[in-house]
Amino acid sequence: QKEVEQNSGPLSVPEGAIASLNCTYSDRGSQSFFWYRQYSGKSPELIMSIYSNGDKEDGRFTAQLNKASQYVSLLIRDSQPSDSATYLCAVRSGGYQKVTFGTGTKLQVIP
Amino acid sequence: DTGVSQNPRHKITKRGQNVTFRCDPISEHNRLYWYRQTLGQGPEFLTYFQNEAQLEKSRLLSDRFSAERPKGSFSTLEIQRTEQGDSAMYLCASSSTDRGNSYEQYFGPGTRLTVT
Repeated sequence: QKEVEQNSGPLSVPEGAIASLNCTYSDRGSQSFFWYRQYSGKSPELIMSIYSNGDKEDGRFTAQLNKASQYVSLLIRDSQPSDSATYLCAVRSGGYQKVTFGTGTKLQVIP
Repeated sequence: DTGVSQNPRHKITKRGQNVTFRCDPISEHNRLYWYRQTLGQGPEFLTYFQNEAQLEKSRLLSDRFSAERPKGSFSTLEIQRTEQGDSAMYLCASSSTDRGNSYEQYFGPGTRLTVT
């Protein structure tokens, strides 16, 4: 079982719709959760971090964490073509600085 | 803050040669990380420094790889006797313990290595 799992996609949504990206993780001791956006040929860019159960909103982005289900998600409201990228879920286990990344979900926003 | 910088941005080398990459973290960030990313995969952790101390190292990091951060500022990653399987994007990230969100890592632009 992979430590951090994401559907590779592509996930296609029309412009203006809500994009929902999901991630599961295997280590119950995980304490920090991150979403990164990566454009083709570029390095990852931090979008959101979340540390406790529930929702965290920042502009058009909402991160959701459910530690009991070992599940973290990212919602993008009013999706724009510029949101088309690969979204990486990353998880830090307790006691370590190492962050484990999923393979990413490719999002395509169709104008 | 200026961002994380990495040099060179691209490196083409022949198999068997040694290469060295440099990373300059965000100023006053005391934590520095190296990752490797291949096509279609997420970044893979290689090693982590807090100040000048190397505190975590991936079991996947062979003895051909070595990293240093001698003065707790910039870091270098050296690959000896490169192999074609070393071709990847090498990413550096930094974070700070001085801020509340001390686990947030910010990435540099990466160094793309091609081994021929």
